[in-house]
Amino acid sequence: DAGVIQSPRHEVTEMGQEVTLRCKPISGHNSLFWYRQTMMRGLELLIYFNNNVPIDDSGMPEDRFSAKMPNASFSTLKIQPSEPRDSAVYFCASNPSRRADYGYTFGSGTRLTVV
Amino acid sequence: AQKITQTQPGMFVQEKEAVTLDCTYDTSDPSYGLFWYKQPSSGEMIFLIYQGSYDQQNATEGRYSLNFQKARKSANLVISASQLGDSAMYFCAMRSNNAGNMLTFGGGTRLMVKP
Repeated sequence: DAGVIQSPRHEVTEMGQEVTLRCKPISGHNSLFWYRQTMMRGLELLIYFNNNVPIDDSGMPEDRFSAKMPNASFSTLKIQPSEPRDSAVYFCASNPSRRADYGYTFGSGTRLTVV
Repeated sequence: AQKITQTQPGMFVQEKEAVTLDCTYDTSDPSYGLFWYKQPSSGEMIFLIYQGSYDQQNATEGRYSLNFQKARKSANLVISASQLGDSAMYFCAMRSNNAGNMLTFGGGTRLMVKP
């Protein structure tokens, strides 16, 4: 089991550019989550998919952020245009939603720096 | 709404001693799960232990145990025989039926193990 795979591991981009973060969940996990971690705000849930359908996107900060899950094995988080305040570590996590006792499995994260 | 509070921003413990990391939670849902995660300096999020609200016994996983006091709404993590590799950030998290499958995280506690 390769775990949750995120790419890229690090991204440095200029303000105003489009950024796309990618995630491959664990096979068989039907729930996928995008979190953002900053020193000031800690771990924030951005959006949650179940069976490829967005269930709750109330954590998405603004219209510059969008997320898709076109199939069970791939999701993207896009920021367009990016701003310096978007600099953070973005985690993707997955779990089999029928298992209430199953902790999320997190990817290694993408460290985004917007200059 | 559910809320997780970790009141200890940082803690020191001597190697080989036990340490307790505090976590209190708030939810109106009678069915919920509590989780602890470890985040070492490398950044990954590692699932440690789970406690269900209906579990009669405190959860244990190796050197980790959870001191679950339901009436007080606390779920403290106890690490026995601390090791230098235990130095990390520790996050308490909760999932409740009312909040769907989403984990809400506390602000974390940074544990530093002294040799």
